[in-house]
Amino acid sequence: AQSVTQPDIHITVSEGASLELRCNYSYGATPYLFWYVQSPGQGLQLLLKYFSGDTLVQGIKGFEAEFKRSQSSFNLRKPSVHWSDAAEYFCAVGAWGGNTPLVFGKGTRLSVIA
Amino acid sequence: NAGVTQTPKFRVLKTGQSMTLLCAQDMNHEYMYWYRQDPGMGLRLIHYSVGEGTTAKGEVPDGYNVSRLKKQNFLLGLESAAPSQTSVYFCASSFRGRGQPSTDTQYFGPGTRLTVL
Repeated sequence: AQSVTQPDIHITVSEGASLELRCNYSYGATPYLFWYVQSPGQGLQLLLKYFSGDTLVQGIKGFEAEFKRSQSSFNLRKPSVHWSDAAEYFCAVGAWGGNTPLVFGKGTRLSVIA
Repeated sequence: NAGVTQTPKFRVLKTGQSMTLLCAQDMNHEYMYWYRQDPGMGLRLIHYSVGEGTTAKGEVPDGYNVSRLKKQNFLLGLESAAPSQTSVYFCASSFRGRGQPSTDTQYFGPGTRLTVL
C-alpha cells in the first residue's frame, strides 16, 4: 500500500520569499502524485498532478512540483509567495491499477507574514 | 456545473441522535468518497464507492454507514452520534482511472461542519 509523509506541520514565510513544501511517498511502483490546497473554511482544490512524463509539473497559481524518483519526493515550490497563498497544503499519492483511493498526507499549514 | 455539493453545511447534534449527510455530484464520476478532517490528523477516509450500489470501508469506518443508490449521490449516515464524531466532513468524487491509474483527480465539496454535544 502507498503512503505519504509531509514532514513540516507548519511553515512561515515572508511575502515575496520563495517556498518549498516537502512531500515524501512510499510506493513500490511508479506513483502518481497530487498537490491540493485548502483555504480556510473551504474544500480542497487541485494545484497540480504528476502521472508520467516530464518530472517538473506546472500548476495553478504559479506553483510547480518536481518528481524525484531517487528521493521518493514530490516537493512543491513557488518562487515568490503572496499573502493569499496562506492555506493548508496536502500531498497525495495514488496507486496503479485496482480501485485504491488516494492516500493523503497530514498537511502543511503555510503562514505568510508581511 | 455545480461540481460536488454537500448538504447541510452546518449541523449540531446531541449525543445519540442520528443524521444523514448528502453528497451530490453532476460530473458523472464513478467514484465517490467520504472523509473527515480533524486538526492535526489530515484527511481520513471513512467510506468510498467505486460505483452505484457498491461501497467499501476506508480508514475510519466505525460509527458510520453509507449508501450509493444513485450514481450521482453518496449518503453518509450517523446512526447514533457521539462527541468523537465532531469534525468537518468532506465528500469527493473522481472518474475511474483512465488506463493504468486506479483513480483520477478527486474533486471536493465545500464540507459539512458537524458538532456533537
